[in-house]
This record gives sequence, structure tokens and C-alpha cells, in this order.
Amino acid sequence: AQSVTQLDSHVSVSEGTPVLLRCNYSSSYSPSLFWYVQHPNKGLQLLLKYTSAATLVKGINGFEAEFKKSETSFHLTKPSAHMSDAAEYFCVVRADYGGSQGNLIFGKGTKLSVKP
Amino acid sequence: GAGVSQTPSNKVTEKGKYVELRCDPISGHTALYWYRQSLGQGPEFLIYFQGTGAADDSGLPNDRFFAVRPEGSVSTLKIQRTERGDSAVYLCASSLTRYNEQFFGPGTRLTVL
Repeated sequence: AQSVTQLDSHVSVSEGTPVLLRCNYSSSYSPSLFWYVQHPNKGLQLLLKYTSAATLVKGINGFEAEFKKSETSFHLTKPSAHMSDAAEYFCVVRADYGGSQGNLIFGKGTKLSVKP
Repeated sequence: GAGVSQTPSNKVTEKGKYVELRCDPISGHTALYWYRQSLGQGPEFLIYFQGTGAADDSGLPNDRFFAVRPEGSVSTLKIQRTERGDSAVYLCASSLTRYNEQFFGPGTRLTVL
């Protein structure tokens, strides 16, 4: 079965410093991977997606993620945090085979806090 | 353009009551999904519609949960005999087809007292 594990439930950074949110995946096939962001009282928004093209994926708001097959990782990074980045971030894998093909499988989330 | 909308935004009910949660997808999106997000967890898949039919309902926790999409647009998630454990945020998403980007609504926060 496919799954994702977000290694940190909470990450705190200072404004202007780099952000690293870690995600490992489990999949027997080449996975489709996503990062979503959830701001308080707002809907989930897609940040970026990997679907077997370039391994370094650029998303919105300066975020990017690198797919590393050898490490089964898909960590999310940003060079310089902004106060508006404070939110909950979800690593997601799409089920690409079996009866649940197409369904999104979410990690438990990482809450990012940004200190002034 | 208009995104996915969900009503109500908050619903408080008593144990044993029946509730209906509504989702208005983006116009033209044939795929519609319901997810449930419990406190401190990521969203969990409940059911997927392709057009009017439920193509995958493997995530529904038990037969108290039911969803419909009679005209292939608006969907209603129905929960009978609610239990305290049903308290969660219920999210709806829609996409052009199954493998396109899913757009999420703001959710309905259900509290069962």
C-alpha cells in the first residue's frame, strides 16, 4: 500500500531563514507526489506536484521539493521564510494502482510556525 | 472564478441526530471527492464520484454514512445516527477528471455533542 510519513509534526523557524519540511513515501511504483498547504479557516491549496518528470519541482510562493528515489523522500524547502508561510503543510501521494487508483493519501501534516 | 463551496461552515448537532453536508463543486468538474479530517490528522478519503455515480466508496467508515450526487454537480454527504466520534472537518474537492488537480473547499466543521 502507498503511504507518506511526515517526519516532523511541528517546525518553527525565524523569518528570513530557510524552511525544510520532511516527507518520506512508500510506494511500489513510481509515485505521484504533492505538497498541499492549509491556512487557518481556508481550503487546502496545491503548492507543487511531482509526476515523474523533473526531480526538482518548483511550486508557488518560492517553495520547491526534490524527489529522491534512493532515499524515498520528497522534502519541501524554501530559502527564506515569510510570516505568511505559517500554516499546516501536507505531503500527499496519489494511489496510482489498485481499486483506489486516483485517490489522494495524506500525511499527518507539519505545522510551520514563523517567528518575527 | 468561483471555487468549491461547502455549507454549512459549522454544524453542531446532538448524538443520534441526522445531518446533511452540502458541496458545490467547480462548474464543469466531473470528479468530486469527500474527505474527513480529524483533529491533528491529515484528510482521509471517504468517497469519489464520477458524474452522478459513486465510483469508489471504500473510505466510508460504516453504513451510517451515505453520499449522493443526483445531477452530477452538487453533492450531499449524509450521516445518520451521529456519534461523538463523527466530529471532524468534512472536506469536499472537485477536479476536471480523476487525474487532474483537486480543488478543495473550506470544509464543514461538524461537532457532535
